[in-house]
Amino acid sequence: DVKVTQSSRYLVKRTGEKVFLECVQDMDHENMFWYRQDPGLGLRLIYFSYDVKMKEKGDIPEGYSVSREKKERFSLILESASTNQTSMYLCASGYRGSGSEAFFGQGTRLTVV
Amino acid sequence: AQKITQTQPGMFVQEKEAVTLDCTYDTSDPSYGLFWYKQPSSGEMIFLIYQGSYDQQNATEGRYSLNFQKARKSANLVISASQLGDSAMYFCAIGAYSGAGSYQLTFGKGTKLSVIP
Repeated sequence: DVKVTQSSRYLVKRTGEKVFLECVQDMDHENMFWYRQDPGLGLRLIYFSYDVKMKEKGDIPEGYSVSREKKERFSLILESASTNQTSMYLCASGYRGSGSEAFFGQGTRLTVV
Repeated sequence: AQKITQTQPGMFVQEKEAVTLDCTYDTSDPSYGLFWYKQPSSGEMIFLIYQGSYDQQNATEGRYSLNFQKARKSANLVISASQLGDSAMYFCAIGAYSGAGSYQLTFGKGTKLSVIP
């Protein structure tokens, strides 16, 4: 079974803190994604990576950065957390080819106070 | 850029009845794919079904079928014989190649389906 694991299920951070969300996949997938899910807005793509050290901005990259030093690991970084970044964050991975479904982690619910 | 529109924020269906969840899309890419995911209250995202833009036949997976109408740019999900366990959020997504040449999924806002006993 494909496994995508996010380091935390719930996280509470203070405004201004630097926050790291970690994601690890065990299927040797080339692509990895970070989405943000908010009620009524669906899933919005923050960043994705198609190879080690390669990244591409999604629809809402402002306030976020990412790191992919190893193929299996994709980190989302909130440089200075703000209350409007309180949300559910979903990591996903998939093969590079067309038609490849994305496999999701269990999500991290981040609250910034 | 790709866009997915799901116009039904919420829907109700009687148990054992069929239900159709609407999805329309917009893309200039001639090669793309349509996906449906289910998200129960537990939060996990479960892949349900896929349809490629060049596939001639509508995709089916058990009780799920995808009603693909390319000219209308619609990819509706049909669930037959609804069960209580089908109560969940359902997301439609389009997969296409980005400017950098990598395949990515763009999701809609979702439809919350409630199955009534």
